[in-house]
Amino acid sequence: EVQVLESGGGLVQPGGSLRLSCASSGFSFSNYAMNWVRQAPGKGLEWVSGITGSGATLNYAGSVKGRFTISRDNSKNMLYLQMNRLRAEDTAVYHCARVRSSGISLLDAFEIWGQGTMVTVSS
Amino acid sequence: DIVMTQSPESLAVSLGERATINCKSGHSLLYSSNNKNHLAWYQQKPGQPPKLLIYWASTRESGVPDRFSGSGSGTDFTLTISSLQAEDVAVYYCQQYLSTPFTFGPGTKVHIK
Repeated sequence: EVQVLESGGGLVQPGGSLRLSCASSGFSFSNYAMNWVRQAPGKGLEWVSGITGSGATLNYAGSVKGRFTISRDNSKNMLYLQMNRLRAEDTAVYHCARVRSSGISLLDAFEIWGQGTMVTVSS
Repeated sequence: DIVMTQSPESLAVSLGERATINCKSGHSLLYSSNNKNHLAWYQQKPGQPPKLLIYWASTRESGVPDRFSGSGSGTDFTLTISSLQAEDVAVYYCQQYLSTPFTFGPGTKVHIK
């Protein structure tokens, strides 16, 4: 079964750091671009960051650029999001999402989503 | 950034009736390199992650009932549910994946009249 599973969320103080992980299974992980999408409580969807299958291309939303770092370990089928200098407005459920087609491009719809991991930034 | 808007914000439809959701982008989503519109539709039910319904503006994802259809090109797109079922109660989002940052519409909540 094709699936992704996030972990690493929790409660962190403003200015703190957290590292999210996304474990993937059931598909050839290195062939697919991956993304992080977040959803604040009661709000809509916000794309956070994306990375191509090789890891050569990384992109970020303006709201997290310079604070968050996306990475992947294709040998472990793992996607990561290192979040530094966290703010209250980063509070959200963070979903990992795989694109629909294998290939080099990020420019594709998001087909496989995880249930998400909750990040709460509060003192 | 490409701004995505949706209308209406909320929609009440009787069972078996048609539901129509509109999505507008601030920039054409038609990519000249592949002649495709980089527009997707997602359905999200409470407590669940989004589910991909439609990609390339009008291609139905495998397993999605054929009562769901997408249309439009350029900057104006529509998601139609031809005969609303109880299980279609959800929030629907459009998303552009033409250029980063990828952006979503604010969502349209569909419920039963």
